Amino acid sequence: GDSVTQMEGPVTLSEEAFLTINCTYTATGYPSLFWYVQYPGEGLQLLLKATKADDKGSNKGFEATYRKETTSFHLEKGSVQVSDSAVYFCALSPGHPQGAQKLVFGQGTRLTINP
Amino acid sequence: DSGVTQTPKHLITATGQRVTLRCSPRSGDLSVYWYQQSLDQGLQFLIQYYNGEERAKGNILERFSAQQFPDLHSELNLSSLELGDSALYFCASSVRDYTYEQYFGPGTRLTVT
Repeated sequence: GDSVTQMEGPVTLSEEAFLTINCTYTATGYPSLFWYVQYPGEGLQLLLKATKADDKGSNKGFEATYRKETTSFHLEKGSVQVSDSAVYFCALSPGHPQGAQKLVFGQGTRLTINP
Repeated sequence: DSGVTQTPKHLITATGQRVTLRCSPRSGDLSVYWYQQSLDQGLQFLIQYYNGEERAKGNILERFSAQQFPDLHSELNLSSLELGDSALYFCASSVRDYTYEQYFGPGTRLTVT
């Protein structure tokens, strides 16, 4: 079945460091890919998305490129801030109509940025 | 603020009991999704409703049920509760039937003792 695997956390970085959180997926068909962020005590917020191969999603300085050949969607940011501390979830929406309603999530990566 | 509201915020109950979680979608959204977030299972899709009709089912136990009412709010009913049902339950909404553009509520934290 469809699945998402994220790099295990927690990840701790200093402010202004470069961030990469790895995400790979297994899916039939052509899924859409997403990164969601969960700040403490809040629900998930859509951070960025990509709907087809080679698309690059970007938002708030974060970027991720849909790589079909490596089935990956790694999240990157050039210079992190303390306010980026949160849990990040990679997710996919299956490409087949029967599964299009649901999001399949990775296990989440907790990111802590120290000043 | 996503515009999705969930009540209650916290719920503590005993094993064997039954609880109801409530979700109000964003104004104009017709789809409601329920997810369960637990330490061992991660974030899992439970069920989706669109304009009052069940559209998709995920890993939802038979002890759990849901419905969407004419005013589009949704309720998730959990019965014969077990310790393992302790989790954060999220509701999300979207405008159309199947779409990835889902907006999440703040969640209801259920603790079963």
